[in-house]
Amino acid sequence: TQLLEQSPQFLSIQEGENLTVYCNSSSVFSSLQWYRQEPGEGPVLLVTVVTGGEVKKLKRLTFQFGDARKDSSLHITAAQPGDTGLYLCAGDDLGLGTYKYIFGTGTRLKVLA
Amino acid sequence: SAVISQKPSRDICQRGTSLTIQCQVDSQVTMMFWYRQQPGQSLTLIATANQGSEATYESGFVIDKFPISRPNLTFSTLTVSNMSPEDSSIYLCITSGGKYNEQFFGPGTRLTVL
Repeated sequence: TQLLEQSPQFLSIQEGENLTVYCNSSSVFSSLQWYRQEPGEGPVLLVTVVTGGEVKKLKRLTFQFGDARKDSSLHITAAQPGDTGLYLCAGDDLGLGTYKYIFGTGTRLKVLA
Repeated sequence: SAVISQKPSRDICQRGTSLTIQCQVDSQVTMMFWYRQQPGQSLTLIATANQGSEATYESGFVIDKFPISRPNLTFSTLTVSNMSPEDSSIYLCITSGGKYNEQFFGPGTRLTVL
């Protein structure tokens, strides 16, 4: 079974600060997704990365897939209170094309105004 | 992406009862999954809902506790049977699709068992 560890688990920062969330595994994923979940809502897909070393930008969010496709990072520049939420990474289970995703342990971010 | 709706959105149930959660998708999808998210936790896959056949359950989940139906490519139900407070969670219906097989989530059903 593939596992995805996220760090930090909790993060509380002031508006305007930068932060990085890490998603690590000992296993290789063919693709990896990042989600944000707000209280009372289901997770919302932010980005999918598929190529080792790939970097994708979504406004103030920068996502990177590790060269070996075992890890990923999410960097937020000048965080805003609207960025508050639970951030989840998810990688596809390479088990014989099952189309299942394994979710990371989650990073709960709070941005204070 | 598919639009997914779930009913009920939330419920409070008594110990020992059962609740059936419905998931409706606005288009035909091949893959549908049921996940559970316990308070403060990440998501755990319960089972893959297979159209026209028995669901495929993950380790730690059994059909007697979480029976699943999927009569067609747009609809599925998950029943939480003989509930206990430990079953209090958000239950999420998810489909997969798109170029990279991304997963898309329903709004979830927030279940509280007293």
